[in-house]
Amino acid sequence: AQKVTQAQTEISVVEKEDVTLDCVYETRDTTYYLFWYKQPPSGELVFLIRRNSFDEQNEISGRYSWNFQKSTSSFNFTITASQVVDSAVYFCALSRGESNYQLIWGAGTKLIIKP
Amino acid sequence: DAMVIQNPRYQVTQFGKPVTLSCSQTLNHNVMYWYQQKSSQAPKLLFHYYDKDFNNEADTPDNFQSRRPNTSFCFLDIRSPGLGDAAMYLCATSREKAGATYNEQFFGPGTRLTVL
Repeated sequence: AQKVTQAQTEISVVEKEDVTLDCVYETRDTTYYLFWYKQPPSGELVFLIRRNSFDEQNEISGRYSWNFQKSTSSFNFTITASQVVDSAVYFCALSRGESNYQLIWGAGTKLIIKP
Repeated sequence: DAMVIQNPRYQVTQFGKPVTLSCSQTLNHNVMYWYQQKSSQAPKLLFHYYDKDFNNEADTPDNFQSRRPNTSFCFLDIRSPGLGDAAMYLCATSREKAGATYNEQFFGPGTRLTVL
């Protein structure tokens, strides 16, 4: 069965600290996609990154970076030098299966950045 | 800017009184989704349209229906809202091709439904 686990329910750090959000997934598919979305207090889900199973290169976008490791079935998200505006709920998601456009969502991690 | 628009942002209805939520998009995406999200939970997919083809999730109650009259618009109808249907309803779109390309989904701001 496919599953996404975000074990950290809530993380609280002080501004400018680095923080890593963990995502562990389970799938039997050989081809799959992983996503991260951000949901700020306003409620709108914002797409952050999409990664396919054949691309294990780490990704960096400004203060955001992602570490994809198939060996440990993990797709972790790091925010460097966190800012108050990074406060949000972050969801990791996995494609459900071939020819199926639904996503399996993790439970989300609430990130609180204190000034 | 291309976007996904949901109206209204807040909707209050009475127990058992039908309600319709609307979603429109200017992205010209072929797939549209409706999600239900309750407090502190992940979004739960209710159904999606791939072009005109309707795909219902197995556990979506019959009380929830959807219409997609054209590419740009999609509606969520709740025939007899119960107290348990109070939630945020999110519309999303994506551009997909045959073969499951799994492009990212773009979300609207959501409609928060209150049932009295």
